[in-house]
Amino acid sequence: DSGVTQTPKHLITATGQRVTLRCSPRSGDLSVYWYQQSLDQGLQFLIQYYNGEERAKGNILERFSAQQFPDLHSELNLSSLELGDSALYFCASSVGAGGSPLHFGNGTRLTVT
Amino acid sequence: SQQGEEDPQALSIQEGENATMNCSYKTSINNLQWYRQNSGRGLVHLILIRSNEREKHSGRLRVTLDTSKKSSSLLITASRAADTASYFCARLEYGNKLVFGAGTILRVKS
Repeated sequence: DSGVTQTPKHLITATGQRVTLRCSPRSGDLSVYWYQQSLDQGLQFLIQYYNGEERAKGNILERFSAQQFPDLHSELNLSSLELGDSALYFCASSVGAGGSPLHFGNGTRLTVT
Repeated sequence: SQQGEEDPQALSIQEGENATMNCSYKTSINNLQWYRQNSGRGLVHLILIRSNEREKHSGRLRVTLDTSKKSSSLLITASRAADTASYFCARLEYGNKLVFGAGTILRVKS
């Protein structure tokens, strides 16, 4: 058990809808990362927060947004969903701001129909 | 694409044999990390090697790093059926982005 909790585990929704994925980092970790994993794109880095502030940004679409709250949990919001957004979304956490090993949750599997 | 090159894409070996996976990259790195992913589950960190290190061991794992060739390899010795998984290298790039490769799917047959 990595100590990282992601909810929900599965999400099925329709195109055009909006969903929120939630992540609680491992106790003591200040950084939260979001990754998207799909068969055709592999594991894509979306965004990182460190102690509430955005730290690094990857190829995150404008329809997607995230934030990290004062209690360090994070939410990833996906809006105007398209079929191509169907993927596994992983949250990971680490102690430091960058370079330290990541601890991954078990992901949220999003299916857009 | 954010991904580096990993080879082979897939590897099938018998239990007890060694498995070697390679990872190449194009930019300067601070460190390089290897992760394992069992089907559909979260990735698990295996080992981290810093840019000033050449080799590192952890149990049955051996990682090498050649910064002049911009490549790394992961060797799993005396493989077991439980080692069946996907293996990813990840490099810390400029801008604090940890970028993962496409991965190698390892199948260990018992």
